[in-house]
Amino acid sequence: GAGVSQSPRYKVAKRGQDVALRCDPISGHVSLFWYQQALGQGPEFLTYFQNEAQLDKSGLPSDRFFAERPEGSVSTLKIQRTQQEDSAVYLCASSLTGLGANVLTFGAGSRLTVL
Amino acid sequence: SQQGEEDPQALSIQEGENATMNCSYKTSINNLQWYRQNSGRGLVHLILIRSNEREKHSGRLRVTLDTSKKSSSLLITASRAADTASYFCATDEFSGNTPLVFGKGTRLSVIA
Repeated sequence: GAGVSQSPRYKVAKRGQDVALRCDPISGHVSLFWYQQALGQGPEFLTYFQNEAQLDKSGLPSDRFFAERPEGSVSTLKIQRTQQEDSAVYLCASSLTGLGANVLTFGAGSRLTVL
Repeated sequence: SQQGEEDPQALSIQEGENATMNCSYKTSINNLQWYRQNSGRGLVHLILIRSNEREKHSGRLRVTLDTSKKSSSLLITASRAADTASYFCATDEFSGNTPLVFGKGTRLSVIA
């Protein structure tokens, strides 16, 4: 597609529910990144894929967070047993090649509110 | 963790004035980028400056980089109301094996 598409744009979950956030990157982009952005803060790195391989998941805050990109295109970020501190905007970005002097193209984000 | 620190945290100016935002970072870098984020939207890339460059221009944007001070500045000249947004610097570490690390951002308000 023309840009990075994320869904849902808004998600309200009750504490303890599982959620799944989807990212559809730009076609042909090798790298895909997930970032978490709290209100009034900058994006914080969660995880990075090169094609279907998850090369870095050092930013995932707990084992409740899981990401996959099974066919090297669409990615899903899953959060199990959501907690209030998981409330944030989850941003997906893609880039043409791997790490390095990469320009990231971001989606509009998925805003998660955990009640 | 966030490497970049933007300064000021918030800036309010009149349309037509220039806006200057600063970014400081901690480690040696390959490149530094600036991104803009309008309220409720994703980030949009503005400009990339490499560690061996000192200044770069793009339209009304001017970016400087001082690697000895580990700092960068973004100047927006002749600001417009449409420039109202948050601006973030982002760095990738010299090793080349790390993802972009963003600062906390400067919230710019341009008043018409």
